This record gives sequence, structure tokens and C-alpha cells, in this order.
Amino acid sequence: GQSLEQPSEVTAVEGAIVQINCTYQTSGFYGLSWYQQHDGGAPTFLSYNALDGLEETGRFSSFLSRSDSYGYLLLQELQMKDSASYFCAVLVLTMNTGFQKLVFGTGTRLLVSP
Amino acid sequence: GAVVSQHPSWVICKSGTSVKIECRSLDFQATTMFWYRQFPKQSLMLMATSNEGSKATYEQGVEKDKFLINHASLTLSTLTVTSAHPEDSSFYICSARATRGLARRVPYNEQFFGPGTRLTVL
Repeated sequence: GQSLEQPSEVTAVEGAIVQINCTYQTSGFYGLSWYQQHDGGAPTFLSYNALDGLEETGRFSSFLSRSDSYGYLLLQELQMKDSASYFCAVLVLTMNTGFQKLVFGTGTRLLVSP
Repeated sequence: GAVVSQHPSWVICKSGTSVKIECRSLDFQATTMFWYRQFPKQSLMLMATSNEGSKATYEQGVEKDKFLINHASLTLSTLTVTSAHPEDSSFYICSARATRGLARRVPYNEQFFGPGTRLTVL
């Protein structure tokens, strides 16, 4: 099976930088994705890392270390609208079917205050 | 582009009835769609992987006879919750992985999520 761990909650102020960590244990690992979900809404794609290193997309960056089974999402210049839940998700290959699937982490609730 | 719709957005039903939820990819074709369930303040739990023209692959612990999945076309998958009970009340979300039809280059791994269906069983 798969297991992913994230902090349950992180708080920060506007303009700050916050890092949300994700550790995982899985077989058939392809890559690590990050999703944002506002209350009552659908998850929206933020980033995907298949290789080690840092990927930057605007205010958000994502990092992966395959050897450490670890990744993080870095959010810079925080805004109030960034208050949401953030999920890491591993893309894995299911050996018995040959299909890829996303398995989500426990989620981190980010609260941004003025 | 890359819009996935779900219908209905919310449904309330009596215990023992069946409920069908539709998931459509509006501007692209998806050979693979996924169904997730999310309880309040919890993570998304993958229920099953739906492949067009073949049987769905269910995750461990998910009853395939209770959660019927049909993926009859490249743009439509349906989830039917049969004989629903209050414990089935949850937020059901589908997602689709694009195979063709999108004008812009899409990361291979990207899944597009529907807006979700909130099911309440009385």
C-alpha cells in the first residue's frame, strides 16, 4: 500500500513564506503532485515532480527527493486567498493492472492571517 | 479547456434508494477516469479507476456491488451508489486524465477534477 504524511495544519501571515512537507512510502512511484482545495470545492492541480529538484511556478515551488521519499511545497508572498487545504499525492503504477493512479496524502490546512 | 463536470452537484435521498452520479469531460477525451470519496476535513480516498470499455478497478475495501461504475464513452463515467445508507453520505469527486482533445500541452500526469457531488442519505 501507500502512506503519505503531512502536517495537519500550518498558520502564517500575509506576505510570509511557508513550506509544507510530505513524506511518503510507496512502491511503483512515478512522481509527486500537489493539489489545492478550498472548502467545498474541487482539488486544483498545482505542480508535479517526477525528478529530483525544485520546480518553480510563480509564487509556488515544489521540491522532490526520491532517495529520501520526501517532497515539499513552498508558498511565497502569501495571500489571504491561499488559505486552503493542500494535498500531496503520489502517482503510482499499480502492478496488477498496469494503470497509474493518484493516492492523496492526509492534507495540510493552511491558515493565512492579515 | 480541461473542464470536468459532475451532475448532480448535490443530492439528498432516503436510505435504501440508489443514486447515480455522472462525470463528464467537456472538451477532451478521457480513457481513464477516477472516483474519489472525501469525508469532512479528510483526504480524498480513491475508490476506483474507470477505464472506457472495460471493468473498473476497485481499491481494497470498496464494494464493487455497492458502487457500480460504468465508463461507456470517452467522455462519460457514472457512479451508482446502490441501496444507499447514511454512512454513504460523503463528497464524491471524479477526475479525468486527458488522452486527446486539448489544444494546449498538458502534463502527462495531470488529472482534472470535477466540482464534486455532495450526497446526503437520510
